[in-house]
Amino acid sequence: DGGITQSPKYLFRKEGQNVTLSCEQNLNHDAMYWYRQDPGQGLRLIYYSQIVNDFQKGDIAEGYSVSREKKESFPLTVTSAQKNPTAFYLCASSNWTGGREKLFFGSGTQLSVL
Amino acid sequence: GQQLNQSPQSMFIQEGEDVSMNCTSSSIFNTWLWYKQDPGEGPVLLIALYKAGELTSNGRLTAQFGITRKDSFLNISASIPSDVGIYFCCSGNTGKLIFGQGTTLQVKP
Repeated sequence: DGGITQSPKYLFRKEGQNVTLSCEQNLNHDAMYWYRQDPGQGLRLIYYSQIVNDFQKGDIAEGYSVSREKKESFPLTVTSAQKNPTAFYLCASSNWTGGREKLFFGSGTQLSVL
Repeated sequence: GQQLNQSPQSMFIQEGEDVSMNCTSSSIFNTWLWYKQDPGEGPVLLIALYKAGELTSNGRLTAQFGITRKDSFLNISASIPSDVGIYFCCSGNTGKLIFGQGTTLQVKP
């Protein structure tokens, strides 16, 4: 099946620990995104990448890092500098056939602090 | 940064009623998307709009891209219990899309 796979579904982080969230897509999409969602709130953009080996900061990039070494993969690392990491993290990819972009989402990762 | 203002924040309606929600931006954008999210899952695309004035339907859902290119609305007709969820508007220019705060819809049978 084609789609976006996020893993794990649930993740726990200890104080001072870095954790990495996985996002893989087999849709052959160029662009990939990471969003953070807090309870009862909308999605806030963390990082986005429009092409391999290139990415840009979104609105809340502090305490996060990403890499885009392969078209299919866009992992997000939540570093110890992120003091409030508990949230639901959503990865998305998009195509823009004829300039018309659509976002497709994974099923999310819930990150909690122990 | 750029923001989308979505309203209302929540709605509690009777089954069979029509629903309307809207979204405004401070900037002109070339894309408006509407999504629905169920608890613990990723948002699912409902309707995509790419042209000012465009009106598009998907079953009981209808959405329009405002002629000023700074707003959009979503209507749901004859609501049913499975319409319950959070609805998000999404807008921007190709390559960077942002989201509104969401409208939580509850439907009373």
